[in-house]
Amino acid sequence: GENVEQHPSTLSVQEGDSAVIKCTYSDSASNYFPWYKQELGKRPQLIIDIRSNVGEKKDQRIAVTLNKTAKHFSLHITETQPEDSAVYFCAASQGGSYIPTFGRGTSLIVHP
Amino acid sequence: DGGITQSPKYLFRKEGQNVTLSCEQNLNHDAMYWYRQDPGQGLRLIYYSQIVNDFQKGDIAEGYSVSREKKESFPLTVTSAQKNPTAFYLCASSRDSGRDETQYFGPGTRLLVL
Repeated sequence: GENVEQHPSTLSVQEGDSAVIKCTYSDSASNYFPWYKQELGKRPQLIIDIRSNVGEKKDQRIAVTLNKTAKHFSLHITETQPEDSAVYFCAASQGGSYIPTFGRGTSLIVHP
Repeated sequence: DGGITQSPKYLFRKEGQNVTLSCEQNLNHDAMYWYRQDPGQGLRLIYYSQIVNDFQKGDIAEGYSVSREKKESFPLTVTSAQKNPTAFYLCASSRDSGRDETQYFGPGTRLLVL
């Protein structure tokens, strides 16, 4: 089955800095890679996703990159703000009816 | 994130007791899931269901049971066989199609053992 590793487990940055969270996956058949954000005490919510037919996707201050050859993908957050503080989860799946496998999460702390 | 609800918000279990967590969605989603969240463990899949009257075990199904008698409902029972049930339980649903695999999560139920 799929195995997703996520690093780092904790990331502390100053407001305005950039943050990068990295994930690797094991199943070369995986082709859908979502990222979820979970604020303290709240439910996880999708913030961005990427499919294997593209290498990069951006949405305002967040971007995701995918390297299919190396089987890794990353979340980039620029100009971080305190409200970006949350736990971020990456996931990988074969899409469609396949169940996604989640990474263990990264706790991002943005200091004002 | 509207349309999927969980109850109760907090649940207390006594030794040897079975408890049931409710999950309801009005998104007309085919697939529903139960995850357990422990600190530093991420989201671990307990059970999932892709159609009514059918469900599959996830990675940590032991000590849990589910039913899927209606499309909109997917209750989870934590049985007395689950020796370490204290955790945050998240229910999710998805359209289960190639066009939209987004999982929509409920607000969660925190289970505590007395």
